Amino acid sequence: DAGVIQSPRHEVTEMGQEVTLRCKPISGHNSLFWYRQTMMRGLELLIYFNNNVPIDDSGMPEDRFSAKMPNASFSTLKIQPSEPRDSAVYFCASSLPDQRMAFFGQGTRLTVV
Amino acid sequence: GENVEQHPSTLSVQEGDSAVIKCTYSDSASNYFPWYKQELGKRPQLIIDIRSNVGEKKDQRIAVTLNKTAKHFSLHITETQPEDSAVYFCAASPVTGFQKLVFGTGTRLLVSP
Repeated sequence: DAGVIQSPRHEVTEMGQEVTLRCKPISGHNSLFWYRQTMMRGLELLIYFNNNVPIDDSGMPEDRFSAKMPNASFSTLKIQPSEPRDSAVYFCASSLPDQRMAFFGQGTRLTVV
Repeated sequence: GENVEQHPSTLSVQEGDSAVIKCTYSDSASNYFPWYKQELGKRPQLIIDIRSNVGEKKDQRIAVTLNKTAKHFSLHITETQPEDSAVYFCAASPVTGFQKLVFGTGTRLLVSP
């Protein structure tokens, strides 16, 4: 298994533009998590899905952020419009049913200028 | 909700010394405590975990201890090596029916040759 796959690895965009981050979880994992990592705030859980259903989105910072999981093998995190303070590394992670071990993707480094 | 505090934020040791990182959590219902290692520019990777029915777990040079009464758990690395240099994150998973890891703020460990 290739593990959790995220794309793109790096994204540079201008303020105000829409940004879409993509994630393919490990096959068979039914929980998917989106995290944001910054020096100031560490690893923050933005949202997580269980069986494609959003369970807790209390970590989503603003309405500019939205996430979807249309099927068990794909999820997106969208920021519209993007702002410089959104610059961070965004990680997607997945885990097995009834397990707590989360496996992380390589992350997407987002820079908003 | 769950809150995880981690100390110290940075730790410098000489090669061969031991390193100890400590975490406390707030939700007494949490029952799963993993530790992740993140090397510079890479993804967090699970290195060891412990569940609340166990007080200590070892894996070669790494051990984790858990004190549920005091709500704290620790990571112990013995005979440290330069390749142990990384940021280490602790996490706790509240018992909510769904997996949800809450991370500590991380400890930057530097092992000098």
